[in-house]
Amino acid sequence: QVTLKESGPTLVKSTQTLTLTCTFSGFSLSTSGVGVGWIRQPPGKALEWLALIYWNDDKRYSPSLKSRLTITKDTSKNQVVLTMTNMDPVDTATYYCAHRQGVSGSYDYWGQGTLVTVSS
Amino acid sequence: EIVMTQSPATLSVSPGERATLSCRASQSISSSLAWYQQKPGQAPRLLIYGASTRATGIPARFSGSGSGTEFTLTISSLQSEDFAVYYCQQYYTWYTFGQGTKLEIK
Repeated sequence: QVTLKESGPTLVKSTQTLTLTCTFSGFSLSTSGVGVGWIRQPPGKALEWLALIYWNDDKRYSPSLKSRLTITKDTSKNQVVLTMTNMDPVDTATYYCAHRQGVSGSYDYWGQGTLVTVSS
Repeated sequence: EIVMTQSPATLSVSPGERATLSCRASQSISSSLAWYQQKPGQAPRLLIYGASTRATGIPARFSGSGSGTEFTLTISSLQSEDFAVYYCQQYYTWYTFGQGTKLEIK
């Protein structure tokens, strides 16, 4: 059974750096083809893809946010970490991590999400 | 960046009827398209990938079609649990989502 769960601060201040951790089970990030991504959703708005890390440590970032994002993995702990620098109130959103399906670029398992509020 | 445009923004349909949701890509994405369902307070749920392949456990009343720039999600006979927001997502180049279609009870 595949599960993912996000953890991190619920409140950050403007200009601070956000660090979120995705802890997963039911799959290994050392298995060929596996990837874990981050997607966010501001309250009442649409989904926005942020970043993806593959089993081979290849990384992909949203072009519009690339300068602010870093994604890393700890295979031994079954964790993926996303950092976002220079947070702003517009970054207030629910942040999800998700398992990238191996046969396509879709995301077949999602965490419950964590709401991060950025105060000014 | 590939822009995904969904229509309509809101669709009102009666239970038991058919619902047709549209998604258009700003450039060809072949069949690199997924559909998700999201209910309030929940994470998205994968319905369709590869434009027309149902994900594991998805009922047969959900079907996807299209390729290139025009895609459709059809729900053949709406059940009460189908009223939600639906998003399309392209994965041809990076990943982008549409703005969503809210399917509401008429």
